Amino acid sequence: GAVVSQHPSWVICKSGTSVKIECRSLDFQATTMFWYRQFPKQSLMLMATSNEGSKATYEQGVEKDKFLINHASLTLSTLTVTSAHPEDSSFYICSARQGSYYEQYFGPGTRLTVT
Amino acid sequence: AQKITQTQPGMFVQEKEAVTLDCTYDTSDPSYGLFWYKQPSSGEMIFLIYQGSYDQQNATEGRYSLNFQKARKSANLVISASQLGDSAMYFCAMREGNNNDMRFGAGTRLTVKP
Repeated sequence: GAVVSQHPSWVICKSGTSVKIECRSLDFQATTMFWYRQFPKQSLMLMATSNEGSKATYEQGVEKDKFLINHASLTLSTLTVTSAHPEDSSFYICSARQGSYYEQYFGPGTRLTVT
Repeated sequence: AQKITQTQPGMFVQEKEAVTLDCTYDTSDPSYGLFWYKQPSSGEMIFLIYQGSYDQQNATEGRYSLNFQKARKSANLVISASQLGDSAMYFCAMREGNNNDMRFGAGTRLTVKP
């Protein structure tokens, strides 16, 4: 099946710094990529949707200036958490859609801890 | 408004028995898709099964089957012959119409007892 990778798998950063998370579709071209956030013992919450070459669409309540998303190519999307704070600590999961209606694949997730 | 509801925070099942995980949904769009994912402690989301709103038959994938009751707006996951490795969080999700985004329910933690 299609593979989506994320890098890094975990990261610890100091409060006030920025951290970038990469999401790659390894063996297919992703027309659309999604970023989700998951707090411990909670469900996945959609943060934003991005299409290659266009601006991301953010969900209500998600700060676009804080969570910068760049879908630079059909195989790469990045999420940058700017000026991170401890409350940004979470599990971030990306997902990529290949094209047909139900084909959507998830990355392994990135655990961010802000100290 | 919550569109996907999973009312069972936790479920227990004996190894080799079958278990049903509940999922109800709410949509006015006649075209939608329903999904089930498994999330083990490692965090990865594993796709299990898909049901389209226009599909006439219930979806099946190996030990997984989806009990799709359209009039009741329910899409319960049935796992037959449970295995210890089935212990995980299970999420029901829906995508409506041509919308790209997939919304998730709160999840059910399944524990398989030996």
